[in-house]
Amino acid sequence: KQEVTQIPAALSVPEGENLVLNCSFTDSAIYNLQWFRQDPGKGLTSLLLIQSSQREQTSGRLNASLDKSSGRSTLYIAASQPGDSATYLCAVSPGNQFYFGTGTSLTVIP
Amino acid sequence: GAVVSQHPSRVICKSGTSVKIECRSLDFQATTMFWYRQFPKQSLMLMATSNEGSKATYEQGVEKDKFLINHASLTLSTLTVTSAHPEDSSFYICSARAPGGGFNYGYTFGSGTRLTVV
Repeated sequence: KQEVTQIPAALSVPEGENLVLNCSFTDSAIYNLQWFRQDPGKGLTSLLLIQSSQREQTSGRLNASLDKSSGRSTLYIAASQPGDSATYLCAVSPGNQFYFGTGTSLTVIP
Repeated sequence: GAVVSQHPSRVICKSGTSVKIECRSLDFQATTMFWYRQFPKQSLMLMATSNEGSKATYEQGVEKDKFLINHASLTLSTLTVTSAHPEDSSFYICSARAPGGGFNYGYTFGSGTRLTVV
């Protein structure tokens, strides 16, 4: 069964700092990997989707990479802002559902 | 982009009562919707896959008689928590595959429902 792990579980950084969130998964047979943002008590906001044939995706200050063979993905956030404070989830899909990590809780200190 | 609307966002109910959660795909048809549950400090876990016009497929350990799923149209799936108990208190969220989508496409999620059973 697919297992998704996210490290660190929590992260606190000063505003303006660049940071990297890590995600690893055990089964490389995936169609895609998606990074989400979840604010307290709210649903999920999709940030980036990387298809299995891709190596990375970029959106604004966010860059996600995927190394399917090693079962790893990173989410890079440049010039962090207090508004980036949230829980970030990665999820992998073998096609018919998502397997989620437990998330990284990010706090950006003004 | 594709939007999934989920209602209600928050509900408090008494133990023993039933609660219905709706998930609607706006401006697109979703033949398949997915229901997830998230307990505090845990990851989202798939509960069941809802298929339009047929029975839902439940994950191991999820009681189908307790969590009734109905997907009567291409834009609406409902999850009814029957005879709710405090241990059913959780965050429930639905999702649908974006239109056009094969497995290489992402999914759109609803905003979730926070259920508290007292």
